[in-house]
Formats: sequence, C-alpha cells, structure tokens
Amino acid sequence: DIQMTQSPSSLSASVGDRVTITCRASQSISSYLNWYQQKPGKAPKLLIYAASSLQSGVPSRFSGSGSGTDFTLTISSLQPEDFATYYCQQSYSTSMYTFGQGTKLEIK
Amino acid sequence: QVQLVQSGAEVKKPGASVKVSCKASGYTFTSYYMHWVRQAPGQGLEWMGIINPSGGSTSYAQKFQGRVTMTRDTSTSTVYMELSSLRSEDTAVYYCAREFQQQLDYWGQGTLVTVSS
Repeated sequence: DIQMTQSPSSLSASVGDRVTITCRASQSISSYLNWYQQKPGKAPKLLIYAASSLQSGVPSRFSGSGSGTDFTLTISSLQPEDFATYYCQQSYSTSMYTFGQGTKLEIK
Repeated sequence: QVQLVQSGAEVKKPGASVKVSCKASGYTFTSYYMHWVRQAPGQGLEWMGIINPSGGSTSYAQKFQGRVTMTRDTSTSTVYMELSSLRSEDTAVYYCAREFQQQLDYWGQGTLVTVSS
C-alpha cells in the first residue's frame, strides 16, 4: 500500500501569512495527488487536483506543486476562513485511495 | 446540481451490522464511481472502498475486507455501504464521495454511526 505522510501535523499562523504544507508518498505517484480542506462538522472539500490544478471556485491564493513523491500545498496569504484541516490524498493506486494524516491550521 | 444525500445517524450494538445509504442526483449515476470514507471522532480521513455504479464491481481497503459490502441500486441512484461485526472502533462519520477523473469532487453530508453497548 502507498503511505502518505503530511508535515507538519499542526501549524499556527496569522492572517496574511504564507503557509506551506508538505505531503510525501512512500513511492512515486506521478501527479496523482489531491488536496482537501475540511472544517469542523463539515465534509471535506476538494481544493487541488492532479497536484497543481485548482478546483473550480477555489480562491487563487491556494496552489499546489510537486510530482513523484514530494508535494506541497501553499496558501499565499491566509484568510480567516482558511483555518481548517488539510488532507492530501493519492489516486495513483486506483484500488486504494489513501489519505495523509492531516494538517490542522490554527490561528496564532 | 450534483447532490449526495446520506441516510441518518445510527446507533448500533457491538456485533451488529449497519447499512448506510447515499442517494445521488443531478448527474448520470452510472457514469461516476463512488467512494466511501470514514472519520473517527477527532481523527483523520480513512478510505474504505469504491464501487462502480455501472456494473457493481467493488474494491475494498484490506482493513475492511470481509466486513464491508458496497452495493448499488440503479433504479433509485443509490449506493449502500454495509459494515458488519461492528465494534466500538467503528464509531465514526461515514461519507460517500463521487469520483471524477481520480479526485473526489462531491461529498455527502456524512452519517454518524455510533457503536455502543
């Protein structure tokens, strides 16, 4: 099975900060990497797909990069509504779509 | 618009089974795979499996093999996830999610399953 490891597990930041979250796959997954945002009590929301493509309706301050085993999600200027938990997910192995353990982004 | 509407919360005793439904609307049901993902209280997302609504084929995470069954009813555009031999560790919110080109673009609202004696 492909394992996904996110870092950090939690992060404190201020409104206006630039934030980067990292996701590492246990083997190469090409660009089959998606990012989701989840707020308390809500279903996850797709932000980035295929490593770097912005889902329709998602603000342009979100961006993704990487390929192979190392990926990043960047928020260029944090807004109050961005404080949430972020998950990466690989879709390379179509019989097992594993998630990272999540990164909780909190207000400093 | 695409909607996935799940069945309501359930309380089950250890050893029992639970069947959660997910009714799809706003798109061609048989054209998109459906996934099930669960989230234990305060924990991360855990992928459980996938069903092809067209032919009914399934693939399950190894952890759930032998305990989970995913089915569909094309006449009502509904997919089902049944988990058997429930234990306290199965207490979680269960989500269905539609797959579009290898990403999960629409999610149900979630169904809380509580396993307690």
